[in-house]
Amino acid sequence: SQTIHQWPATLVQPVGSPLSLECTVEGTSNPNLYWYRQAAGRGLQLLFYSVGIGQISSEVPQNLSASRPQDRQFILSSKKLLLSDSGFYLCAWAGGRSEQFFGPGTRLTVL
Amino acid sequence: QQPVQSPQAVILREGEDAVINCSSSKALYSVHWYRQKHGEAPVFLMILLKGGEQKGHDKISASFNEKKQQSSLYLTASQLSYSGTYFCGTEGAGGTSYGKLTFGQGTILTVHP
Repeated sequence: SQTIHQWPATLVQPVGSPLSLECTVEGTSNPNLYWYRQAAGRGLQLLFYSVGIGQISSEVPQNLSASRPQDRQFILSSKKLLLSDSGFYLCAWAGGRSEQFFGPGTRLTVL
Repeated sequence: QQPVQSPQAVILREGEDAVINCSSSKALYSVHWYRQKHGEAPVFLMILLKGGEQKGHDKISASFNEKKQQSSLYLTASQLSYSGTYFCGTEGAGGTSYGKLTFGQGTILTVHP
């Protein structure tokens, strides 16, 4: 069966510090991978979308970036965090144009 | 554009039924439904595809009106475990929307004993 991992689970970072969140998927190959952000009490905002290694689509202009160095690894990064980057970051995978399965999420607080 | 969900919140007693609606202004390929409990990740419930195909949970049903770009989620004989926030996610019919979902603002469902 397929599983999706995210780490860390929680993170508190000062403004201006760098960020690296990692997501890995097991039990499937060539998945579509997604990064979402959810502000407190709000819906899910798609940040990045990838259909393959090195193929990244950015959906929202911001100071975040994403990379996919391996087939089942997706990384979300920032060089300098802003207060507005706080939120619940969710990674998801899908087997093509189908239902998406979410990882447990990373709760990021920028102080 | 973000799909619009209604109602924004629903309060039920155990055993009661509820309907949550999702409406989009663009042509759709699919509608997905997810439930999220506080502090947790969303969990997949249903997917409804253009052409009538559906996949999802046994105890939850949904409809998809392709012409009106609307979907409804039907929760019958509600249980305490149904409490949470329900999100619809829509995938546009155009090529640039392939595999990408736009989520509604969510409907908060609370089930009381």
